[in-house]
Amino acid sequence: EVQLLESGGGLVQPGESLRLSCSASGFNFRNYAMSWVRQAPGKGLEWVSGISGGGSTAYNEDSETGRFTISRDNSKNMLYLQINSLRAEDSAIYYCAKDSDVWGSWIASDYFDCWGQGTLVTVSS
Amino acid sequence: FMLTQPHSVSESPGKTVTISCTRSSGSIASSYVHWYQQRPGGAPTTVIYKDNQRPSGVPDRFSGSIDSSSNSASLTISRLETEDEADYYCQSYYSVTRVFGGGTKLTVL
Repeated sequence: EVQLLESGGGLVQPGESLRLSCSASGFNFRNYAMSWVRQAPGKGLEWVSGISGGGSTAYNEDSETGRFTISRDNSKNMLYLQINSLRAEDSAIYYCAKDSDVWGSWIASDYFDCWGQGTLVTVSS
Repeated sequence: FMLTQPHSVSESPGKTVTISCTRSSGSIASSYVHWYQQRPGGAPTTVIYKDNQRPSGVPDRFSGSIDSSSNSASLTISRLETEDEADYYCQSYYSVTRVFGGGTKLTVL
C-alpha cells in the first residue's frame, strides 16, 4: 500500500526557517516525481514545488522561487521542503503528493495519484 | 493563467451536477485537466485525470469533459449521493508548473 507521511510542522515565528519531511513507503520511491501542495486555512489547494524522481530537476511556483527548496533522499525514501523567512501567509497544511507516471521525470502534465495527510505549519508571533 | 471555478453548487440526491473550470488564457484543450475531491478534514483524492479518465475505484457516476467553445473543463457527477458532498478542485499546468482552480464546494441536500 502506498503511504506518505508528512512531519515537521508546528508553530514558528515570522522570519524563522522550517524543514518539512515526507516519508514514503509502498512504492519504488526513486521512480516517481513528487510535489508539495499547501492549503491555507479555509482556502484552496496551491502547488508549491515539484521534483523529479532522481532529484536532478526541481521547480517552484513562480512567486516562491528562493524561499522554498524541495529535495529528496532516495536512499531513505524521504522528501523534504525547506522554507526560509517564514511569513504569516505561509500558514497552511502542507501535503506531499506522488505523481502517477513511473518514468520519474518531472512531467507537468502528470497528476497526483496519492497524497499524504498533511502537516500543519502555523506562522505567528 | 488562472482556473476559475464556481465557489459553490448544490443539488439533491439522485440528481446530476456539473462543476465548471474555466481557463483565463490559452486553450483549455492544450493542457490536461485533472479533478480532485477533498472531503471535510481529509486529503484530496483523484476523481478524474487527463480530462476524462477515471481512476480505478472511482464510480462511473463521475465523468470529465472539455469544451473549447467556453474554454472550460467540466466535472459531472450523476446520481448524486450524500457521500459526494465535498470540495472539488480542477488542476492543469503551464510550462513546468501546476495550477489549481479555487475549488467548488458541493452540497448534496
